[in-house]
Amino acid sequence: EPEVTQTPSHQVTQMGQEVILRCVPISNHLYFYWYRQILGQKVEFLVSFYNNEISEKSEIFDDQFSVERPDGSNFTLKIRSTKLEDSAMYFCASSSQGWDGNTIYFGEGSWLTVV
Amino acid sequence: KNEVEQSPQNLTAQEGEFITINCSYSVGISALHWLQQHPGGGIVSLFMLSSGKKKHGRLIATINIQEKHSSLHITASHPRDSAVYICAVPSRGATNKLIFGTGTLLAVQP
Repeated sequence: EPEVTQTPSHQVTQMGQEVILRCVPISNHLYFYWYRQILGQKVEFLVSFYNNEISEKSEIFDDQFSVERPDGSNFTLKIRSTKLEDSAMYFCASSSQGWDGNTIYFGEGSWLTVV
Repeated sequence: KNEVEQSPQNLTAQEGEFITINCSYSVGISALHWLQQHPGGGIVSLFMLSSGKKKHGRLIATINIQEKHSSLHITASHPRDSAVYICAVPSRGATNKLIFGTGTLLAVQP
């Protein structure tokens, strides 16, 4: 069974520090996503990425956030200056095509705790 | 923007019971996703369906596009089925952005 892998599984960081969360999507997938889930809340969309550019982003995804596909396998989410409210589980996901009619594969998540 | 509602929010069942979780959404869609979130937090896709019914093992998902409603059924429930079950639908006008329901926390007791 193919899988999306994420690292780190858990990171604790000081407020104001930069954080990079890493993801390795399924190898033949073309669409990549980041979602987040604040403890006790719903999963929320952050950003989608296709053909080396952002295809859509939510209002949460402000200038503090960026995504990159630095090579053929990794997909990263960077938070430039973390805030306490960035503490959440961040999920990477990928699909072979857009959402419509295609299964989405999620990683196990990266817990980010900002102190 | 699509709105998603799930019921019940919490469900406790005895092992072997038949379980139903419901999902309603506000805007017409082409596909709906049922997902399972493990106690450790990881999310697994269970079903993606656009019409009718799908079955995988003891799990059955149905959707009524006209009524904007979907159900997830678990037959012969088992304690290992204990998890959060979430439905998710495309946001209006953007099929590659999912709107998630609040989830149903299922606890199956032996």
